[in-house]
Amino acid sequence: QLALTQSPSASASLGASVKLTCTLSSGHNSYAIAWHQQQPEKGPRFLMMLNSDGSHSKADGIPDRFSGSSSGAERYLTISSLQFEDEADYYCQTWGAGIPVFGGGTRLTVL
Amino acid sequence: EVQLVESGGGLVQPGGSLRLSCAASGFTFSGHEMNWVRQAPGKGLEWVSYINSRSTTMYYADSVRGRFTISRDNAKNSLYLQMNSLRAEDTAVYYCARDGAPIDFWGQGALVTVSS
Repeated sequence: QLALTQSPSASASLGASVKLTCTLSSGHNSYAIAWHQQQPEKGPRFLMMLNSDGSHSKADGIPDRFSGSSSGAERYLTISSLQFEDEADYYCQTWGAGIPVFGGGTRLTVL
Repeated sequence: EVQLVESGGGLVQPGGSLRLSCAASGFTFSGHEMNWVRQAPGKGLEWVSYINSRSTTMYYADSVRGRFTISRDNAKNSLYLQMNSLRAEDTAVYYCARDGAPIDFWGQGALVTVSS
């Protein structure tokens, strides 16, 4: 069954880099995903679509500090030069037969 | 500018009904599939329902099938979610989301609270 797994939490210091991971369930290594950001008390915002080969396309206005990469069943979101405004929940999302599937989300704390 | 604006949320008693609306602008609404996604307090995102561009295909999460109905009016650039037989566990912020495979735009959400 198609599913996405994310670590519940991550933390990194202001100005540092952090790499968040989203893992696809067995047999779904070829699936593309999307990354979404949800800042406190706000609705989600689409960040980028990430393909299995690591190519990605970002939404308009997303800074270059945000990038994506892939390895096997793992999909990554790397945020460099962390800023306090990056403190948020990050969700990965894929789709099967047209139906969206979400990971549980990772809460990123900027120290 | 793409905009999705939800309305119709509020407080409703268990067993009651509510209809959410989502007004779309800034893009060709009739050319896009759409979803409703909800988020219970302190929880993650949960997909609720999907409708294709011509309203010929609809899907529902098991948790709402038979109680919720998704629909759209392309002439009015609007998406709807009719929610019947509401339960306490339906309490959540409901988001309208444009499906560009993947979801590529979200509304700001409408809060639905089911409580006596």
